Amino acid sequence: EPEVTQTPSHQVTQMGQEVILRCVPISNHLYFYWYRQILGQKVEFLVSFYNNEISEKSEIFDDQFSVERPDGSNFTLKIRSTKLEDSAMYFCASIEQGTLNSPLHFGNGTRLTVT
Amino acid sequence: DQQVKQNSPSLSVQEGRISILNCDYTNSMFDYFLWYKKYPAEGPTFLISISSIKDKNEDGRFTVFLNKSAKHLSLHIVPSQPGDSAVYFCAASASGANNLFFGTGTRLTVIP
Repeated sequence: EPEVTQTPSHQVTQMGQEVILRCVPISNHLYFYWYRQILGQKVEFLVSFYNNEISEKSEIFDDQFSVERPDGSNFTLKIRSTKLEDSAMYFCASIEQGTLNSPLHFGNGTRLTVT
Repeated sequence: DQQVKQNSPSLSVQEGRISILNCDYTNSMFDYFLWYKKYPAEGPTFLISISSIKDKNEDGRFTVFLNKSAKHLSLHIVPSQPGDSAVYFCAASASGANNLFFGTGTRLTVIP
């Protein structure tokens, strides 16, 4: 079964540094998402992306965050200047159609640790 | 602002018995509900869903019940198996919306 793949599985960075988290969504999917889960808390929506632009974003997704689909397969999340509170599991997800009356497919996540 | 709530952080059940995981929501616009299962070091995996036009959906050992008037849904697993031990997340969305709202999860432990 096709999978959403994320790299790296674990990223350690110093506060103030830029990080790029990478995702390869399922090939025939058109809608892409980033979610995050701070340890012990709920999974939170960050941003959705369709047709090379952001379709929706949450309050968490401030100017420090950006997303990009640089080619036909990768979908990236960039944090420009990381803060300690950005430490979390970041999950990429994709879906074939735009409505959510079908389930999101999640990757295994990238654990970001900001020191 | 917690629109989806799972008030039980953990649940332990004997193998072979029924596991019942509960979820409450506050947003009356939600019309599609899902349960995801998550193992450590993995992403959430879709388990079962239900549309608001139904009150029950069954898939093998898993059944989801929806009570719209109470804004409550539950996941029943019967019989429970040790491999079911995981964190279960309830999630909800509204028609036309582009994101899912997740609960905080319930850690299910099935004791052999």
